[in-house]
Amino acid sequence: KAGVTQTPRYLIKTRGQQVTLSCSPISGHRSVSWYQQTPGQGLQFLFEYFSETQRNKGNFPGRFSGRQFSNSRSEMNVSTLELGDSALYLCASSPGQGVMNTEAFFGQGTRLTVV
Amino acid sequence: AQSVTQLDSHVSVSEGTPVLLRCNYSSSYSPSLFWYVQHPNKGLQLLLKYTSAATLVKGINGFEAEFKKSETSFHLTKPSAHMSDAAEYFCVVSTRFSGGYNKLIFGAGTRLAVHP
Repeated sequence: KAGVTQTPRYLIKTRGQQVTLSCSPISGHRSVSWYQQTPGQGLQFLFEYFSETQRNKGNFPGRFSGRQFSNSRSEMNVSTLELGDSALYLCASSPGQGVMNTEAFFGQGTRLTVV
Repeated sequence: AQSVTQLDSHVSVSEGTPVLLRCNYSSSYSPSLFWYVQHPNKGLQLLLKYTSAATLVKGINGFEAEFKKSETSFHLTKPSAHMSDAAEYFCVVSTRFSGGYNKLIFGAGTRLAVHP
Protein backbone atom coordinates (compact mmCIF):
# COMPACT_ATOMS: atom_id res chain seq x y z
CA LYS A 1 0.00 0.00 0.00
CA ALA A 2 1.45 3.37 -0.95
CA GLY A 3 2.03 5.82 1.87
CA VAL A 4 1.07 9.46 2.14
CA THR A 5 2.52 11.44 -0.75
CA GLN A 6 3.25 15.14 -0.54
CA THR A 7 4.32 17.27 -3.45
CA PRO A 8 6.49 19.12 -3.99
CA ARG A 9 9.16 18.15 -1.45
CA TYR A 10 10.91 21.51 -1.60
CA LEU A 11 9.70 24.94 -2.62
CA ILE A 12 11.19 28.41 -2.64
CA LYS A 13 8.86 31.39 -2.98
CA THR A 14 9.11 35.14 -2.69
CA ARG A 15 7.26 37.25 -0.13
CA GLY A 16 3.82 38.19 -1.36
CA GLN A 17 3.43 35.21 -3.64
CA GLN A 18 1.03 32.37 -3.06
CA VAL A 19 1.69 28.66 -2.91
CA THR A 20 -0.29 25.44 -3.20
CA LEU A 21 0.83 22.19 -1.59
CA SER A 22 -0.63 18.80 -2.39
CA CYS A 23 -1.25 15.68 -0.32
CA SER A 24 -2.44 12.27 -1.47
CA PRO A 25 -3.55 10.14 1.47
CA ILE A 26 -3.28 6.40 1.86
CA SER A 27 -5.84 4.63 -0.28
CA GLY A 28 -9.10 4.30 1.61
CA HIS A 29 -8.31 7.02 4.13
CA ARG A 30 -10.86 9.81 4.18
CA SER A 31 -9.33 12.17 6.73
CA VAL A 32 -6.44 14.49 5.90
CA SER A 33 -4.83 16.82 8.41
CA TRP A 34 -2.23 19.51 7.82
CA TYR A 35 0.47 20.67 10.25
CA GLN A 36 3.08 23.40 10.19
CA GLN A 37 6.41 22.64 11.82
CA THR A 38 8.95 25.33 12.68
CA PRO A 39 11.92 25.29 15.07
CA GLY A 40 10.35 27.98 17.23
CA GLN A 41 6.72 26.85 17.39
CA GLY A 42 7.03 23.10 16.94
CA LEU A 43 4.17 21.17 15.35
CA GLN A 44 1.04 23.25 14.94
CA PHE A 45 -2.27 21.98 13.65
CA LEU A 46 -3.59 23.83 10.62
CA PHE A 47 -6.82 22.07 9.66
CA GLU A 48 -8.44 18.73 8.99
CA TYR A 49 -10.66 17.59 6.16
CA PHE A 50 -13.01 14.67 6.06
CA SER A 51 -15.16 13.79 3.09
CA GLU A 52 -14.44 17.15 1.42
CA THR A 53 -15.50 19.12 4.51
CA GLN A 54 -13.26 21.05 6.86
CA ARG A 55 -14.22 19.85 10.30
CA ASN A 56 -11.51 21.37 12.45
CA LYS A 57 -9.23 24.37 12.13
CA GLY A 58 -6.23 25.57 14.06
CA ASN A 59 -5.33 29.10 14.99
CA PHE A 60 -3.91 30.38 11.71
CA PRO A 61 -4.81 33.49 9.71
CA GLY A 62 -7.18 33.34 6.78
CA ARG A 63 -4.23 33.35 4.37
CA PHE A 64 -4.03 29.64 5.07
CA SER A 65 -6.76 27.63 3.40
CA GLY A 66 -7.33 24.15 2.15
CA ARG A 67 -9.68 21.84 0.39
CA GLN A 68 -10.27 18.18 -0.18
CA PHE A 69 -11.41 16.50 -3.35
CA SER A 70 -13.78 13.61 -3.82
CA ASN A 71 -10.83 11.19 -4.10
CA SER A 72 -9.63 12.41 -0.66
CA ARG A 73 -6.60 14.20 -2.07
CA SER A 74 -6.08 17.51 -0.34
CA GLU A 75 -4.44 20.81 -1.14
CA MET A 76 -3.49 23.64 1.10
CA ASN A 77 -2.93 27.17 -0.11
CA VAL A 78 -1.06 30.02 1.48
CA SER A 79 -1.60 33.46 0.00
CA THR A 80 0.48 36.60 0.42
CA LEU A 81 3.45 34.68 1.76
CA GLU A 82 5.45 36.07 4.66
CA LEU A 83 8.95 35.18 5.77
CA GLY A 84 7.49 33.53 8.85
CA ASP A 85 5.62 31.04 6.70
CA SER A 86 8.89 29.25 6.03
CA ALA A 87 8.38 25.82 7.54
CA LEU A 88 8.00 22.12 6.99
CA TYR A 89 4.36 21.43 6.13
CA LEU A 90 3.24 17.95 7.03
CA CYS A 91 0.17 16.11 5.88
CA ALA A 92 -1.31 13.16 7.73
CA SER A 93 -4.04 10.74 6.76
CA SER A 94 -6.21 8.45 8.83
CA PRO A 95 -9.23 6.27 8.09
CA GLY A 96 -11.66 8.88 9.32
CA GLN A 97 -14.51 9.51 11.62
CA GLY A 98 -14.96 7.96 15.02
CA VAL A 99 -11.87 5.80 15.08
CA MET A 100 -10.18 7.18 18.14
CA ASN A 101 -7.42 4.66 18.53
CA THR A 102 -6.24 4.94 14.98
CA GLU A 103 -2.97 6.64 14.41
CA ALA A 104 -2.26 9.15 11.69
CA PHE A 105 0.16 8.35 8.89
CA PHE A 106 2.44 11.18 7.85
CA GLY A 107 3.94 12.18 4.56
CA GLN A 108 7.56 13.32 4.15
CA GLY A 109 6.51 16.93 4.19
CA THR A 110 7.00 19.93 1.96
CA ARG A 111 9.82 22.27 2.94
CA LEU A 112 8.71 25.80 2.07
CA THR A 113 11.25 28.61 2.10
CA VAL A 114 10.04 32.17 1.69
CA VAL A 115 12.68 34.70 0.67
CA ALA B 1 -9.29 19.35 28.06
CA GLN B 2 -6.72 16.94 26.75
CA SER B 3 -3.04 17.85 26.73
CA VAL B 4 0.36 16.23 26.65
CA THR B 5 3.63 17.38 28.24
CA GLN B 6 7.03 16.09 27.32
CA LEU B 7 9.19 16.75 30.33
CA ASP B 8 12.55 17.05 28.56
CA SER B 9 13.23 19.08 25.43
CA HIS B 10 16.66 17.45 25.00
CA VAL B 11 18.06 14.12 26.14
CA SER B 12 21.62 13.00 25.54
CA VAL B 13 22.83 9.42 26.03
CA SER B 14 25.81 7.31 25.10
CA GLU B 15 25.48 4.51 22.61
CA GLY B 16 24.57 1.26 24.37
CA THR B 17 23.01 2.95 27.42
CA PRO B 18 19.27 3.03 28.22
CA VAL B 19 16.94 5.68 26.85
CA LEU B 20 14.10 7.28 28.83
CA LEU B 21 11.86 9.92 27.25
CA ARG B 22 9.19 11.20 29.60
CA CYS B 23 5.61 12.08 28.75
CA ASN B 24 2.66 13.07 30.94
CA TYR B 25 -0.85 13.48 29.62
CA SER B 26 -4.09 14.98 30.74
CA SER B 27 -7.37 13.46 29.61
CA SER B 28 -10.88 13.40 30.95
CA TYR B 29 -11.42 9.86 29.72
CA SER B 30 -9.36 6.82 28.81
CA PRO B 31 -7.03 8.12 26.14
CA SER B 32 -5.26 6.67 23.17
CA LEU B 33 -1.57 7.52 23.27
CA PHE B 34 1.14 7.35 20.64
CA TRP B 35 4.85 7.92 20.25
CA TYR B 36 6.17 9.17 16.92
CA VAL B 37 9.76 9.64 15.78
CA GLN B 38 11.01 12.19 13.26
CA HIS B 39 14.41 12.05 11.66
CA PRO B 40 15.81 15.29 10.16
CA ASN B 41 13.76 16.63 7.26
CA LYS B 42 11.49 13.63 7.31
CA GLY B 43 7.88 12.99 8.22
CA LEU B 44 6.73 11.42 11.46
CA GLN B 45 6.82 7.65 11.86
CA LEU B 46 4.73 5.78 14.41
CA LEU B 47 6.82 3.97 17.03
CA LEU B 48 4.00 2.51 19.11
CA LYS B 49 0.48 3.11 20.35
CA TYR B 50 -1.59 2.43 23.47
CA THR B 51 -5.28 1.78 23.02
CA SER B 52 -6.46 0.43 26.41
CA ALA B 53 -5.25 -3.12 25.91
CA ALA B 54 -1.94 -4.11 27.56
CA THR B 55 -0.35 -1.29 29.58
CA LEU B 56 3.14 -2.21 28.38
CA VAL B 57 3.33 -1.53 24.69
CA LYS B 58 6.12 -2.75 22.45
CA GLY B 59 6.99 -0.82 19.34
CA ILE B 60 9.46 -0.85 16.51
CA ASN B 61 13.25 -0.67 16.82
CA GLY B 62 13.27 -2.02 20.38
CA PHE B 63 11.25 0.81 21.91
CA GLU B 64 8.51 0.27 24.44
CA ALA B 65 6.27 2.42 26.61
CA GLU B 66 4.25 1.82 29.74
CA PHE B 67 0.87 3.40 30.35
CA LYS B 68 0.48 4.34 34.03
CA LYS B 69 -2.96 5.72 34.73
CA SER B 70 -2.21 6.60 38.35
CA GLU B 71 0.72 8.74 37.25
CA THR B 72 -0.86 9.90 33.97
CA SER B 73 2.39 8.96 32.27
CA PHE B 74 3.41 7.23 29.07
CA HIS B 75 7.22 7.19 29.14
CA LEU B 76 9.19 5.79 26.21
CA THR B 77 12.15 3.52 26.91
CA LYS B 78 14.77 1.50 25.10
CA PRO B 79 17.32 -0.73 26.86
CA SER B 80 20.26 0.16 24.63
CA ALA B 81 20.57 3.24 22.46
CA HIS B 82 21.87 3.07 18.91
CA MET B 83 23.35 5.92 16.92
CA SER B 84 20.42 5.66 14.49
CA ASP B 85 18.01 6.49 17.34
CA ALA B 86 19.13 10.12 17.26
CA ALA B 87 15.98 12.00 16.25
CA GLU B 88 13.06 13.97 17.64
CA TYR B 89 10.34 12.09 19.48
CA PHE B 90 6.75 13.20 19.93
CA CYS B 91 4.25 11.98 22.48
CA VAL B 92 0.68 12.28 21.21
CA VAL B 93 -2.75 11.91 22.78
CA SER B 94 -5.91 11.34 20.80
CA THR B 95 -8.87 13.37 21.89
CA ARG B 96 -12.50 13.14 20.90
CA PHE B 97 -14.49 16.06 19.60
CA SER B 98 -18.24 16.37 19.50
CA GLY B 99 -19.48 14.73 16.35
CA GLY B 100 -17.56 11.57 17.08
CA TYR B 101 -14.24 12.28 15.45
CA ASN B 102 -10.85 12.50 17.06
CA LYS B 103 -7.93 14.89 16.90
CA LEU B 104 -4.28 14.33 17.76
CA ILE B 105 -2.65 16.57 20.36
CA PHE B 106 1.14 16.68 20.03
CA GLY B 107 3.71 17.26 22.73
CA ALA B 108 6.50 19.76 22.10
CA GLY B 109 8.95 17.02 21.26
CA THR B 110 12.15 15.64 22.80
CA ARG B 111 15.34 15.73 20.81
CA LEU B 112 17.44 12.64 21.50
CA ALA B 113 21.19 12.81 20.91
CA VAL B 114 23.27 9.62 20.98
CA HIS B 115 27.02 9.88 21.49
CA PRO B 116 29.60 7.24 20.59
